[in-house]
Amino acid sequence: DTGVSQNPRHKITKRGQNVTFRCDPISEHNRLYWYRQTLGQGPEFLTYFQNEAQLEKSRLLSDRFSAERPKGSFSTLEIQRTEQGDSAMYLCASRIRGDTGNTIYFGEGSWLTVV
Amino acid sequence: AQSVSQHNHHVILSEAASLELGCNYSYGGTVNLFWYVQYPGQHLQLLLKYFSGDPLVKGIKGFEAEFIKSKFSFNLRKPSVQWSDTAEYFCAVNEGSGNTGKLIFGQGTTLQVKP
Repeated sequence: DTGVSQNPRHKITKRGQNVTFRCDPISEHNRLYWYRQTLGQGPEFLTYFQNEAQLEKSRLLSDRFSAERPKGSFSTLEIQRTEQGDSAMYLCASRIRGDTGNTIYFGEGSWLTVV
Repeated sequence: AQSVSQHNHHVILSEAASLELGCNYSYGGTVNLFWYVQYPGQHLQLLLKYFSGDPLVKGIKGFEAEFIKSKFSFNLRKPSVQWSDTAEYFCAVNEGSGNTGKLIFGQGTTLQVKP
């Protein structure tokens, strides 16, 4: 499978615990995006990288959230001291930088349930 | 701030019926517009996109959408739906006039097609 890969696909954690999600983008895609989607809503932008540089973070990304892309390939999204409101699906997407016509490809998402 | 509004939250149709899903966006500048589909248990997939040129855009699986700038609309259409079109549909617009790839999504429309 050469699509965007995310793991774990599902995570149940107790409130207060830390969780980390990993995203492997399509190879040669130098832009990587994280979105969050809650039930009944469309995805909301969290942050994005161009290669290893984090270029923008949404106000939705509180101090408890941190994303990295250390070598410009895979990325991790860590949530510290999880809260019930963090329960959502976390989507990763990637794209080749360049022409505006390039498509953004999404992964299958990582479901987080905080109990 | 930019926003995307999808008028129909839940649509139920019989097979062979025609489909039109509404999408309006708020942004006065140059826009890139997208429709994504999410089949049950699968990742978001691009149905079609508009960047420039012919405002009538054709996508995969017989879908099309028309960009009407004066109405800030990008409605999705299909002349005859199939049971396999049952899915959630998201309209999205790029944020701003740049080429960051950041998308703003509508809240989605759930389409249920009855056989």
